[in-house]
Amino acid sequence: QKEVEQDPGPLSVPEGAIVSLNCTYSNSAFQYFMWYRQYSRKGPELLMYTYSSGNKEDGRFTAQVDKSSKYISLFIRDSQPSDSATYLCAMRVSTGNQFYFGTGTSLTVIP
Amino acid sequence: NAGVTQTPKFRVLKTGQSMTLLCAQDMNHEYMYWYRQDPGMGLRLIHYSVGEGTTAKGEVPDGYNVSRLKKQNFLLGLESAAPSQTSVYFCASRPQGDPSQPQHFGDGTRLSIL
Repeated sequence: QKEVEQDPGPLSVPEGAIVSLNCTYSNSAFQYFMWYRQYSRKGPELLMYTYSSGNKEDGRFTAQVDKSSKYISLFIRDSQPSDSATYLCAMRVSTGNQFYFGTGTSLTVIP
Repeated sequence: NAGVTQTPKFRVLKTGQSMTLLCAQDMNHEYMYWYRQDPGMGLRLIHYSVGEGTTAKGEVPDGYNVSRLKKQNFLLGLESAAPSQTSVYFCASRPQGDPSQPQHFGDGTRLSIL
């Protein structure tokens, strides 16, 4: 079993829709949780970061962490065509140097 | 402000050839990483470095070697390329100290082994 599981999609939604992206994980020691956005032929760029459990909001983006269920989510409100990309979740333990990534979910927002 | 720069951006090799991928960062970061990204596999860690002169193995190190002779550079070497090493390679760096600091990625090197 992979440490981090993510549905690869693809996910296709109309412009303005609310998008929900999710990851599950098996290592209860993970403390730092990140969402990266990756456009085609580009490197991943950090979108959201959260520590431990709880919610974090940044504009149209909300990240949620539920450590009891080992489940993290990224919500995108009022989705735009420019949100079309692959979204990668990532996580790490507090003392480790390695990051563990999901396989990524491909999202297309249709105008 | 270049961030993380990877050289070359594209390369085609024949089986058995060798090559070195260069990663350079101008952010004075201590930690540097090499990943490969394959369809359906996500990002997998090859090797990483926690400082100049130090390296460590990641999840998929076989067939690769690395060196960190200068703090700003992290080199990934393929001694005898194999078709299974066809992939997109990403380098990343992050600063030491604050454990919340994320990684900063380059735009990748697309490598094809024929």
